[in-house]
Amino acid sequence: KAGVTQTPRYLIKTRGQQVTLSCSPISGHRSVSWYQQTPGQGLQFLFEYFSETQRNKGNFPGRFSGRQFSNSRSEMNVSTLELGDSALYLCASTGGTGGSTDTQYFGPGTRLTVL
Amino acid sequence: GEDVEQSLFLSVREGDSSVINCTYTDSSSTYLYWYKQEPGAGLQLLTYIFSNMDMKQDQRLTVLLNKKDKHLSLRIADTQTGDSAIYFCAESRWNTDKLIFGTGTRLQVFP
Repeated sequence: KAGVTQTPRYLIKTRGQQVTLSCSPISGHRSVSWYQQTPGQGLQFLFEYFSETQRNKGNFPGRFSGRQFSNSRSEMNVSTLELGDSALYLCASTGGTGGSTDTQYFGPGTRLTVL
Repeated sequence: GEDVEQSLFLSVREGDSSVINCTYTDSSSTYLYWYKQEPGAGLQLLTYIFSNMDMKQDQRLTVLLNKKDKHLSLRIADTQTGDSAIYFCAESRWNTDKLIFGTGTRLQVFP
């Protein structure tokens, strides 16, 4: 079974631009979560989608948004990029009911650099 | 609160055991996890424990959970240089896949 895939793996943008990151979960998984990892703040939860619905959202500004498609693939978008948005963005998928009985499997991440 | 804390660094000699500790604050945690992150890579799930258990063993890995003290530990037996990485503990709660991560412990294994 293929793992979680994220594209692109690396991205360089300038301040003020917007960016869209993509995540394809493990086949059959219905839940996708996104995390931001920075040296200063560590791993922080962005949002969680289950069956195309956002079920939970972290404490990030409205510039960060996401969505999930009917095939469970998910995208996240960051508008009006700031230098502080430079980070590794990780996506994780879980299997079934969306409860915490399912373990999360992470993709390799997208490294975003904002200049 | 959502604080999950870990010590920042641990250095051990190859062949020795490593013990990585984690403390959390929310007693409603359901599952507790250990993830490993190697340089430039994502997070690899190592093991997890349900909150009503106090110990789980999986080959070289032993997880101990003290729910009263909200303390979780990961013991790696016969530590190898390939175990050098950052280790994160994480907790989850009912009806959400949201994980709350610790600050991460950098394990360095020297020959």
